[in-house]
Formats: sequence, C-alpha cells, structure tokens
Amino acid sequence: DAGVTQSPTHLIKTRGQQVTLRCSPKSGHDTVSWYQQALGQGPQFIFQYYEEEERQRGNFPDRFSGHQFPNYSSELNVNALLLGDSALYLCASSLAGGEKLFFGSGTQLSVL
Amino acid sequence: AQSVTQPDIHITVSEGASLELRCNYSYGATPYLFWYVQSPGQGLQLLLKYFSGDTLVQGIKGFEAEFKRSQSSFNLRKPSVHWSDAAEYFCAVGAGNNDMRFGAGTRLTVKP
Repeated sequence: DAGVTQSPTHLIKTRGQQVTLRCSPKSGHDTVSWYQQALGQGPQFIFQYYEEEERQRGNFPDRFSGHQFPNYSSELNVNALLLGDSALYLCASSLAGGEKLFFGSGTQLSVL
Repeated sequence: AQSVTQPDIHITVSEGASLELRCNYSYGATPYLFWYVQSPGQGLQLLLKYFSGDTLVQGIKGFEAEFKRSQSSFNLRKPSVHWSDAAEYFCAVGAGNNDMRFGAGTRLTVKP
C-alpha cells in the first residue's frame, strides 16, 4: 500500500515563472492538504481539498491555487513565483473528518 | 487565534538519557494536539495525538506526552533516547485535520 506520493522531489524555477506540484494521497483517503515549510520553520497550512473543492484556506495569496481530481489526487499551482516561495511543499492526506494526517516526503522548490 | 510555541530551537542529549521537548499552545476551545517527527529530507510522521480523556498519551517509538490545560502545555517525553531519535520534532494544534498550526520545531541531537 503506497503512502502519500509527491512529484517532483526537487524543482528549480526562476522568479515570475509558474510551477505545478503533484500529490497522490494514501489509498482510501479522500482529503488532501497542502503545507509550505520554509527553511527552519514549521509547516504552514495553504489549503485543503475535499470532493474536488477547496474546503479551507490558510493565509496565502491567490497566486497559490489548487485542484483535486476525481481520483482524489491533487495539484498545487503557484503563479508569479517570488524568491520567498522557496520552500519544501508538503502534501498530507486523510479521511474526511479524520484526525490523522499522512504526509508525503515533499517537493523542494528553489526559486532563483 | 490558535498558535504553538516551541521554546527550544535545538536540544542535545546523550544516548540513554531522558528527553523532554516543550510545547505551549494558544487555542480558544479544547484543542486537538499533536506531535510529529521529521527526519532530514522526509515528510512528517505522527508520534501521538491528544483529543480528550486521559491527559497522558502514549505514542509510537516509546514517546509519551502530557496535556496540562492549566499550563497550556503538551510536552513530549521519552525516558531513554536512542541515536535514531535524532530528528526535528514539531508540536501542532488544530481541530481535527483542518488548518493545523505547527510550531517552529525543535531539533534533537543525540550524543553517543
């Protein structure tokens, strides 16, 4: 049983570009959450998707958007990249209403 | 607003010694409290969680944590640390799996 998988593992972009990160949830899970973890910091909640809709959102600008597909996988899109967007982006899956998050290993995004 | 403070950025203990990692939280209602561990280049793994009931909770890998409402604390403990426990530890507060707030983390180094 595969856990949460994220791709790519590493990514280098330049300022102003756009990026798409992907996440496949743990088998049986229907809810996907995205977190940003800057160097030396704890993860910060970006948003959560359930039934293909954004259910809750943290304090992130509209440049951050997402999508959930019918198979529950999810994408995180970031437009107009800034240097400050450099971080580890973590995807976590869970069951709706469940309290336990399962995290992927993350995508390390570097913006130059 | 909910928040988490981990006062210790870095802790060093000798292998076999006891460990206590501090966590203080701010939350308007009865919190859901979590401890996660992150090894380098990895996602987060749940060690234990507290929702209600017995204020001393047992987790994986021999860890335990005690919820003290009067002190707004949820400290993590282990009686005897192993070299493999060296990692980053995060305390988190939230309501189920929505908008979980993480502390900045405590890095644990284990001396031989």
